[in-house]
Amino acid sequence: LAKTTQPISMDSYEGQEVNITCSHNNIATNDYITWYQQFPSQGPRFIIQGYKTKVTNEVASLFIPADRKSSTLSLPRVSLSDTAVYYCLVLTGGFKTIFGAGTRLFVKA
Amino acid sequence: NAGVTQTPKFQVLKTGQSMTLQCAQDMNHEYMSWYRQDPGMGLRLIHYSVGAGITDQGEVPNGYNVSRSTTEDFPLRLLSAAPSQTSVYFCASSFTGGRNEQFFGPGTRLTVL
Repeated sequence: LAKTTQPISMDSYEGQEVNITCSHNNIATNDYITWYQQFPSQGPRFIIQGYKTKVTNEVASLFIPADRKSSTLSLPRVSLSDTAVYYCLVLTGGFKTIFGAGTRLFVKA
Repeated sequence: NAGVTQTPKFQVLKTGQSMTLQCAQDMNHEYMSWYRQDPGMGLRLIHYSVGAGITDQGEVPNGYNVSRSTTEDFPLRLLSAAPSQTSVYFCASSFTGGRNEQFFGPGTRLTVL
């Protein structure tokens, strides 16, 4: 299972774009990069998943360079309600999902 | 759809007591899993199931039992509760596991005295 490294915490202000980078140097050919969001006292929620280049949905964008050894989750124009923990996961076709400690994003007014 | 439901929301046990945490999903998902989350930490996989009658161990299975008699239900049993099992427990389900999106329940906050 590929190990991921991401910042422990980040601060931002409302209206700013936030980029959270995740390092996954030993990612395998069949692995996908997936991000989850967790609000306090709730279970995690799927945000976005990608294999290479760029993926965008209504919530976020995911940028993956050609070597796939890192990825960046981009949250456009964050609001106070985006304060949460963001987890970067590298998923194979197996059944054991490993969550790291995640990145605690704190959005200030 | 109710999604993934968990009961109870809160529970206090004494050391040595046993109990079952309930988890149910109404999305006809084959894959279900149990995680625990300690304060300030990420989630750790306890047990998972890829279908009725099939279960397997995750990262931290000791002290917990599971069974999967139906597609909908995946209970987690604590055999003899210990203070180290104080945690928040999350149940999740997905279509087939692997890279599929997992849907999480609201969690059960367990305290063992």
